[in-house]
Amino acid sequence: SQQGEEDPQALSIQEGENATMNCSYKTSINNLQWYRQNSGRGLVHLILIRSNEREKHSGRLRVTLDTSKKSSSLLITASRAADTASYFCATDDGNNRLAFGKGNQVVVIP
Amino acid sequence: GAGVSQTPSNKVTEKGKYVELRCDPISGHTALYWYRQSLGQGPEFLIYFQGTGAADDSGLPNDRFFAVRPEGSVSTLKIQRTERGDSAVYLCASSFGYNSPLHFGNGTRLTVT
Repeated sequence: SQQGEEDPQALSIQEGENATMNCSYKTSINNLQWYRQNSGRGLVHLILIRSNEREKHSGRLRVTLDTSKKSSSLLITASRAADTASYFCATDDGNNRLAFGKGNQVVVIP
Repeated sequence: GAGVSQTPSNKVTEKGKYVELRCDPISGHTALYWYRQSLGQGPEFLIYFQGTGAADDSGLPNDRFFAVRPEGSVSTLKIQRTERGDSAVYLCASSFGYNSPLHFGNGTRLTVT
């Protein structure tokens, strides 16, 4: 079954704007990861946040994790057309087996 | 360096036939994963290898699906008596193991007619 559930499902923004996606999950986790997928390609790892971390940055990406609410958010700042992709959150419950959500489709309009 | 390689990139087969999908992981990665992705969905876990052994095969949908990794490197996913419902993109990923990010291949798109 799908563990992560992203919200919203589809997002369309202008280049330069920020994009925020949320993910909720049900069970306890060891870490949570965000991946990007371009059409017809495999997934690319973006960022991993451990259960004892609350916030993590990587370039224009900012991820937060709230284990009390079982939720995470991914913020992409100053979006570019190249950021157009599907974004997935995935949870690791400690068994080294990632459970992915359904994904967020993000379209950045130049 | 080279990423995860999956062959073939596309496979069309008739219902009832047998297929093999191959995955060549990143050198040095001990863990290897198979996922299945249907249109508009996230990847669904199938099986995970640590070295040569299947550490977790709980995601395999039924006994028509089987995977091997005999030398701890290349893996083959085998599907017997294919059904139209098996049509999907089969993704392979590898990693250094626990708490490490997954590196995915571009997948094999399987179409069962």
